Amino acid sequence: GAVVSQHPSRVICKSGTSVKIECRSLDFQATTMFWYRQFPKKSLMLMATSNEGSKATYEQGVEKDKFLINHASLTLSTLTVTSAHPEDSSFYICSAPHRNTEAFFGQGTRLTVV
Amino acid sequence: GQQLNQSPQSMFIQEGEDVSMNCTSSSIFNTWLWYKQDPGEGPVLLIALYKAGELTSNGRLTAQFGITRKDSFLNISASIPSDVGIYFCAGQLNAGNNRKLIWGLGTSLAVNP
Repeated sequence: GAVVSQHPSRVICKSGTSVKIECRSLDFQATTMFWYRQFPKKSLMLMATSNEGSKATYEQGVEKDKFLINHASLTLSTLTVTSAHPEDSSFYICSAPHRNTEAFFGQGTRLTVV
Repeated sequence: GQQLNQSPQSMFIQEGEDVSMNCTSSSIFNTWLWYKQDPGEGPVLLIALYKAGELTSNGRLTAQFGITRKDSFLNISASIPSDVGIYFCAGQLNAGNNRKLIWGLGTSLAVNP
């Protein structure tokens, strides 16, 4: 299957700082990527759809200014958690659709805000 | 947001037993996907289904796309300890640019050696 690489896998940051998470499609191009948040023992919650060359589409209730998304190229999307607070601590996962519908996921990023 | 009805929520079985889980929806889907997620990792695609009635196998895993297009099941035969994890179903309503997936809540599988 296609490979999606997410970095970093773990990050600890101080409250008030910003954290950038990268999602790369290694062997295919992705005009669209998806960013999810997952709470312990819960399903994936879609945060936003990242669109190459245009603005991201955010799901209802997700703060655009809090979670900045940039899809700079056909292989890279970034999620920046701005002014992070402890309640932003979570597992963040990206995915990219390959071929028609199959979605391949990154390894996830465990964010801890202290 | 919308979610699929996935059952059972959890299963605890003996090694060697077969496992079955399913997902249902009130909406019609064009695609059904089954994923497995290990702790601290992203979901890994197991099987993708594209046509109503389609039955697809991947090793000991078998999944089917329901005829009504509103349900799917995943079977695991002769379970082994490494099958432990959380299994998610996901459905896609539309193809093309709108590729959002609707997710089940997951089935947590524990296998007793």
